[in-house]
Amino acid sequence: QVRLVQSGAEVRKPGASVRVSCKASGYTFNNYAITWVRQAPGQGLEWMGWISGDNGNTKYAQKVQGRVTMTADTSTSTAFMELGSLRSDDTAMYYCARGQVGDFDYWGQGTLVTVYS
Amino acid sequence: QSVLTQPPSVSAAPGQKVSISCSGSITNIGSNYVSWYQQLPGTAPKLLIYGNDKRPSGIPDRFSGSKSGTSATLGITGLQTGDEADYYCGTWDSSLSAWVFGGGTKLTVL
Repeated sequence: QVRLVQSGAEVRKPGASVRVSCKASGYTFNNYAITWVRQAPGQGLEWMGWISGDNGNTKYAQKVQGRVTMTADTSTSTAFMELGSLRSDDTAMYYCARGQVGDFDYWGQGTLVTVYS
Repeated sequence: QSVLTQPPSVSAAPGQKVSISCSGSITNIGSNYVSWYQQLPGTAPKLLIYGNDKRPSGIPDRFSGSKSGTSATLGITGLQTGDEADYYCGTWDSSLSAWVFGGGTKLTVL
């Protein structure tokens, strides 16, 4: 069965960086993109971008462009999302999901990133 | 403020039906497919509808999606207490070149 398993919760100070991983299993990693979505406490879903599973092409949301880097290790079927220059408003649950344009059919369990000084 | 507008909340009694609207523009809903997600409390979102009106395997036919012009609607019939959740619409916005979600609708089954 398809599974996306994310890394554990993180706490960072403002200005630091965080890297969240998303390990996929149960399907051919190269055949699907991985999309990252975040959700601030009590708020709605916010699309952050995607990385293609085959060629590593990326597309980032304008809001995080310049601070986010999405990568993928096809040898371990793992996608990574690194967010730098963290601010308090980056505190959120970060989700990875399989798919690229709306067909986000499988989701990771979420990784809570807390930014505070 | 989201590009896609959803009502903040809807409610209905068990067994009844409810519709959740999602209003956008020609650059998003008007020219791209819409999908819908259910988020139960404390859990990750779950795909309910994709391609405007298609249900992934395992999603009961109590859930339906439709689109007309620049608006989309999620319909849920035979409401159950287990349907209490937040529901989000989403689509690609060709002008923003970005995926956009609605602000979410909290469904209460009274």
